[in-house]
Amino acid sequence: AQSVTQPDIHITVSEGASLELRCNYSYGATPYLFWYVQSPGQGLQLLLKYFSGDTLVQGIKGFEAEFKRSQSSFNLRKPSVHWSDAAEYFCAVSDQAGTALIFGKGTTLSVSS
Amino acid sequence: NAGVTQTPKFRVLKTGQSMTLLCAQDMNHEYMYWYRQDPGMGLRLIHYSVGEGTTAKGEVPDGYNVSRLKKQNFLLGLESAAPSQTSVYFCASSYPGKDGYTFGSGTRLTVV
Repeated sequence: AQSVTQPDIHITVSEGASLELRCNYSYGATPYLFWYVQSPGQGLQLLLKYFSGDTLVQGIKGFEAEFKRSQSSFNLRKPSVHWSDAAEYFCAVSDQAGTALIFGKGTTLSVSS
Repeated sequence: NAGVTQTPKFRVLKTGQSMTLLCAQDMNHEYMYWYRQDPGMGLRLIHYSVGEGTTAKGEVPDGYNVSRLKKQNFLLGLESAAPSQTSVYFCASSYPGKDGYTFGSGTRLTVV
């Protein structure tokens, strides 16, 4: 069965500093990978997704993620964090396009000034 | 606006009461899903449907039932609510072979 692990429950980053959120997945074939963001009390917003091709994926709000098959990872990065990036971030995986998403437990990002 | 609509947005139930959450989508999506979100647990799949008249269990199906009588609607039922079902419930839909998922805005349910 597929699974997603986000090793960091909570991360605090200074405003302007770089960010990397980790995501590891367990799946035999090439998975479909996603990163979502959720602000407090809000719904989910898709940041980016990876299906195939270039392993470095660009998303919205200046985020990017890199798929590394050898490490079963899909880490999310941002070069310079803004206070508005404080939110909860979820990594998710599906085995085929359009089938059920399996989510990680999330990483809460706090941004300090 | 096109998308996924969840009804109601908020609800407080007493233990033992029943209720139905409605999810409606107008994108002609084949697949629909119900998730629950709890602090520190992410979103967990309760039930899903791959087409009208079909349903299947997800990761945490106990205490819930679902129905998909019409393609555009996916109902989640709680027959006898328990405090452990206090959660935020999200509905989502997708189309097989397509990479887009649309999520509803969520239903915050409190069971007292």
